[in-house]
Amino acid sequence: DGGITQSPKYLFRKEGQNVTLSCEQNLNHDAMYWYRQDPGQGLRLIYYSQIVNDFQKGDIAEGYSVSREKKESFPLTVTSAQKNPTAFYLCASRMGGGGNEQFFGPGTRLTVL
Amino acid sequence: GENVEQHPSTLSVQEGDSAVIKCTYSDSASNYFPWYKQELGKRPQLIIDIRSNVGEKKDQRIAVTLNKTAKHFSLHITETQPEDSAVYFCAASLGGTYKYIFGTGTRLKVLA
Repeated sequence: DGGITQSPKYLFRKEGQNVTLSCEQNLNHDAMYWYRQDPGQGLRLIYYSQIVNDFQKGDIAEGYSVSREKKESFPLTVTSAQKNPTAFYLCASRMGGGGNEQFFGPGTRLTVL
Repeated sequence: GENVEQHPSTLSVQEGDSAVIKCTYSDSASNYFPWYKQELGKRPQLIIDIRSNVGEKKDQRIAVTLNKTAKHFSLHITETQPEDSAVYFCAASLGGTYKYIFGTGTRLKVLA
């Protein structure tokens, strides 16, 4: 299970506040991903990054922002513009090159009060 | 947009029986199909995957079959055990990219 970590495990936020979720990996993976998981909806891609200093929007990027300044880190900011932010957020990384497998972190459960 | 449909949403089987979960994808250019298992409160973990140039792959009690013509792929678990109880997700690559579209998940319950 080691190699990719997310913090915190649980996060509570008041409406109107921005919050940043941490994702770190020591697997030397090139690519990193952020997914949102809601009951009955599977995993939906928010943002992904294939290399440092580059990232692309996924299917549900509105209200979220990311940065990829270091290979090991891919933080996700949930802004006040996100209408329904309460969800389980999963970060994943992939080796790069021809490697297909995505390795997931343990997730952060965000609750907006 | 492209999508992946997964059925059934819940599945209960008796211990020792087989379980089959089916997925249908829409993107004819998809070339990679992973299956993830997510136990309650834990992270998804890859259990098996298949590429589009292969029709079937097996790993002990788990197998995946792919029908490219029909754009179907299925997960087969034989001799189910209580520890197989979890949510299973299928996914398909978007074309030849490393973006994956996930199904909505199947909650498998293995009854002892």
